[in-house]
Parts: sequence; C-alpha cells; structure tokens
Amino acid sequence: SQTIHQWPATLVQPVGSPLSLECTVEGTSNPNLYWYRQAAGRGLQLLFYSVGIGQISSEVPQNLSASRPQDRQFILSSKKLLLSDSGFYLCAWSVIRVGSPLHFGNGTRLTVT
Amino acid sequence: TQLLEQSPQFLSIQEGENLTVYCNSSSVFSSLQWYRQEPGEGPVLLVTVVTGGEVKKLKRLTFQFGDARKDSSLHITAAQTGDTGLYLCAGSGASGGSYIPTFGRGTSLIVHP
Repeated sequence: SQTIHQWPATLVQPVGSPLSLECTVEGTSNPNLYWYRQAAGRGLQLLFYSVGIGQISSEVPQNLSASRPQDRQFILSSKKLLLSDSGFYLCAWSVIRVGSPLHFGNGTRLTVT
Repeated sequence: TQLLEQSPQFLSIQEGENLTVYCNSSSVFSSLQWYRQEPGEGPVLLVTVVTGGEVKKLKRLTFQFGDARKDSSLHITAAQTGDTGLYLCAGSGASGGSYIPTFGRGTSLIVHP
C-alpha cells in the first residue's frame, strides 16, 4: 500500500531564516507530487506540483521554491522566511489522471516569528 | 475569484440533526471530490463523482453531482460528533482543462453532543 510521510509536524522559525520541508512517498512509482498551503482551517492553495524528477511547476509567485531530487521525494524550501509564510503546509500525491484523488500527508504547521 | 464556492462556511448543529452542504461553480468539471479534514491532519478523500446526476451513498453521507456537472451537495443524516471537521470539495478537468484539483474554501462543521 502507498504511504506518504511529511516532516516535521511543527516548526517555529524566525523571520529571515531558511526553510526546508520534506515529503516522501512509498509504494508507488512516478507519482504526481504537490505542495499546498492552508490558512487557518480554510481552503487549500496550490503552491507547486511536479510530474517527474526535476520538473516543477509554480502556481503562485512567492519566496518559496520546490525541488524533486528523486522520484518519490518532494522538498519545499525558502532562503528567507517572511511572517506571511506562516501556515499549514500539506504535501500530496496522485496518479496522472483526471479524477484521481489526492493522498495527503499529515501536514507541517509552520509559525514564522 | 474562487472557482468553487462552498456554503455554508460554518455550521454548528446538535447530534442527530440532518444537514446539507453545497459546492457550486460556473465551470463544468470532469470529476468532483469531497474530502474531510480533521484539525492538524491532512484531508481524507470521501468520494469521487464523475457522472452528471450521479448519487453516491457512504453510510449516512449522500453525495450528489449536478446534472450539468457544475455543482455538488453533501447530505449527512443523523449527524454524529465524529462528523465534526472541515469538508472540502475539489473539482478537476474544468472546461476540459487541468487534471489538478481546485479546492473550495470548505465548510467547517461542528456537531455538538
């Protein structure tokens, strides 16, 4: 069966510090991978998605970046965090097909102070 | 503008009551999904609907996809405290476009004992 791991679960970082959130998927090959951000228990905003190694599409211009160094590894980074980067970050995977469901990790609660 | 509008935003009811939440759009979707999210966790898929007019039942939950595939509803019969959570709808393949789901802002449901 497929599983998705996302860490850390919570993170408190000062403004201007770097960020690295990691997500790995097991039990499937060549998944689509996604990073979403969710503000205060509301809807999900798509940040990045990837259809393959080294292929990253950005949906929202910001000071965040994403990388996919391996087939089942997806990393969200920032060189300098802003207060507005605080939120709940969710990684997800799916197969490439319309209607294919997203399978989410348990998220990372990021607080920038 | 939000592609998918969910209503109501918040719902607070007593155990045993019935409720309906809505997901509306001006776009036609190839498929629509409903997720439930509990605090501090990632969303979990409840159902996928793909055919206009389709009705799916999951125990006390009934999901309907509109005939025109622009809207959907979720009806819960005899709500239980375990139904508490954020209900998100997500559509993909809008107007023949992307397979990547677009999320509504969600309906936050609280069921009181």
